[in-house]
Amino acid sequence: GAGVSQSPSNKVTEKGKDVELRCDPISGHTALYWYRQRLGQGLEFLIYFQGNSAPDKSGLPSDRFSAERTGESVSTLTIQRTQQEDSAVYLCASSPSYNEQFFGPGTRLTVL
Amino acid sequence: AQSVTQLDSQVPVFEEAPVELRCNYSSSVSVYLFWYVQYPNQGLQLLLKYLSGSTLVKGINGFEAEFNKSQTSFHLRKPSVHISDTAEYFCAVTSGGSNYKLTFGKGTLLTVNP
Repeated sequence: GAGVSQSPSNKVTEKGKDVELRCDPISGHTALYWYRQRLGQGLEFLIYFQGNSAPDKSGLPSDRFSAERTGESVSTLTIQRTQQEDSAVYLCASSPSYNEQFFGPGTRLTVL
Repeated sequence: AQSVTQLDSQVPVFEEAPVELRCNYSSSVSVYLFWYVQYPNQGLQLLLKYLSGSTLVKGINGFEAEFNKSQTSFHLRKPSVHISDTAEYFCAVTSGGSNYKLTFGKGTLLTVNP
C-alpha cells in the first residue's frame, strides 16, 4: 500500500518568508509525528498528534513553528519568518501503535 | 529524560567483512529500541526493533541486534556486509509515556568498500 508522502520534496526560500510543509500519513494511522534532521545530526522530535487529542508541541523550537492536523489525515507544518538555522530535512512519520513509526521521504528546506 | 549515543560517526569496512555499529542509551524506565537505516535521499526504514522478550533481535537484510540491559546497549551487527549496505544507520529509543516519541542518536555512516 501507499506509504507516508510529503510535499514538496525540496523547498528553497528566502529568509523571512513563511513556508508550509505537507504530510499525508498512511491511512488508518492514528498517530503522526514531525521530526527535524539537521546536517550531521540525528532527528529531533517536533510535534505529535494522536487522534483528536491535543497535540504534544513540546519539541517545537520557537513560536515561529506551528502544525495542524485534520482528523486522522493530512498534517501541515508551518514555519513563519524563516531563518537560516531552520534549514534542515523535515520528516513526517505515522504510526498505528507504539511499536513502529513509518517515515516519509522528507522535505529538504533551504533558507537563503 | 532519555538519550542515545552512537559511538562511531563513520565506519568504513570492506565488502563481506563483519560489522558492528554501537549504540548506548540512557533512560530511567523501561525502553523500546529501534534501528533505522537511511539510504541517500530517502526516508528512514525500520531495520529491527526490541520491544520485549528475547534480547537477540533479527531484522531485515541480515542485520541483528542484542539488547543488553546491564550495559544499556543495543549494538547492531551483520556477519557479512554488501556494497548495498552503504547508508546512514540511526539508533532510537522510546520509553513510551504519553506519546512514544523517538529519541535518536546522531547516526553512523556505514561505508562498504569493494
